[in-house]
Formats: sequence, C-alpha cells, structure tokens
Amino acid sequence: GAVVSQHPSWVICKSGTSVKIECRSLDFQATTMFWYRQFPKQSLMLMATSNEGSKATYEQGVEKDKFLINHASLTLSTLTVTSAHPEDSSFYICSAPLAGGGDTQYFGPGTRLTVL
Amino acid sequence: GDSVTQMEGPVTLSEEAFLTINCTYTATGYPSLFWYVQYPGEGLQLLLKATKADDKGSNKGFEATYRKETTSFHLEKGSVQVSDSAVYFCALYNQGGKLIFGQGTELSVKP
Repeated sequence: GAVVSQHPSWVICKSGTSVKIECRSLDFQATTMFWYRQFPKQSLMLMATSNEGSKATYEQGVEKDKFLINHASLTLSTLTVTSAHPEDSSFYICSAPLAGGGDTQYFGPGTRLTVL
Repeated sequence: GDSVTQMEGPVTLSEEAFLTINCTYTATGYPSLFWYVQYPGEGLQLLLKATKADDKGSNKGFEATYRKETTSFHLEKGSVQVSDSAVYFCALYNQGGKLIFGQGTELSVKP
C-alpha cells in the first residue's frame, strides 16, 4: 500500500526558532499533499494544501507567513513553522492522495512539536 | 458547509462486546465516506470506506453502511478486542476535494 513518512517524529525547540517538518510519499508520487494540525483529544484541522510546483493554498485563519509550505518534488512537501511559540505546540500530520486524484488519502505518522 | 458529527466518547467496552459508533454527515451531493483509526501517538490509518449509497465498507471485522436516507455511516464491530482501543474518526470527501473529519470517538476496550 501507499506509504507516507514524516520527519522528525518529534521535535522540541525554543521559542522564536524555526522548525521544518518533512512529509514524503515513499512509493508513489503526490502532486498534492495536505497538512493538518491536531490538538490533544481533538479532531484534525486542515491547515493547507501543498501543490507541487505552485503555491500552497491555506485555509481561512491559517497564517501563511508563519506556516511556510514548500512542495519541492513529487514526493516531498515541507512545513516550516517560523518563529515558533508555545501555542504552536501541536501534532502535525500530513497526507497525500495517489497521483491523479482520488478520494483516499494516506496519512503520515505525525510530528509532535513542543515549543518551550 | 459540509460537516461530520460523531457520537461523543470515550466509549468503554469489555472485550467481545458489540461496538457501534454513530456518525452522521451534512454535505452537498453524495460524498465518499470514510472511517479512519488513530492509535496513540500515531497518524491516521484508513479503516474502511464507501463511495455510494448502500455501499458497505468492511475491514478487520469492522463494517459501515452508507445510508443516504439518514445521512449516516455508523461503524460496527461484532466483537471488539483490547487491540481495537484507539480513536476513530468518521470523515467525508467533499466536492472541494477535502476531507472533513468528525471530532473523533475514543474507544477503550477492557480485558
């Protein structure tokens, strides 16, 4: 089956620093990837759609200058949390559908970000 | 807008008990419906899906039937195991190409 990986699986950083999270599709190409944020015991909130070769599209209320997304290739999307603050601490999850669209998305294992 | 509503958790059951987790949705058209499962500290895994009315999705003993008339997609399992303890998310794939999730239902199965 389709596999999506994320790196790192967890990260602790100081307030004010930037953190980059990678999302890779290991055995398929993904022209589109999605980034979600999940708070403890809550559902997933879609942050943005990452598009290979073009700008990401952000959901309402998500700061594009704070959450920088780059979709460098057909298998890699990165989310950079810039000038992180404690309120950015969360579980970040990416997903990708198989190239060509389709309604089934494959999720990465998530990245736990803790900002001190 | 499109939305998914799940029964609130946590749900606590004894091993071998029958499980039902209710899910209803509001959407334009006839979206594909999904159940995802999340184990502690992990991402989401697709459990099952149904793409049209009256379809039944099934996997690992879990089942859910797409009911257009009641806009529901309830998850059922006849005999739960301790290893089924997780958070279950109902979701729909809307016309905008996005997954809309319910709030999740935590299941705890006791031996």
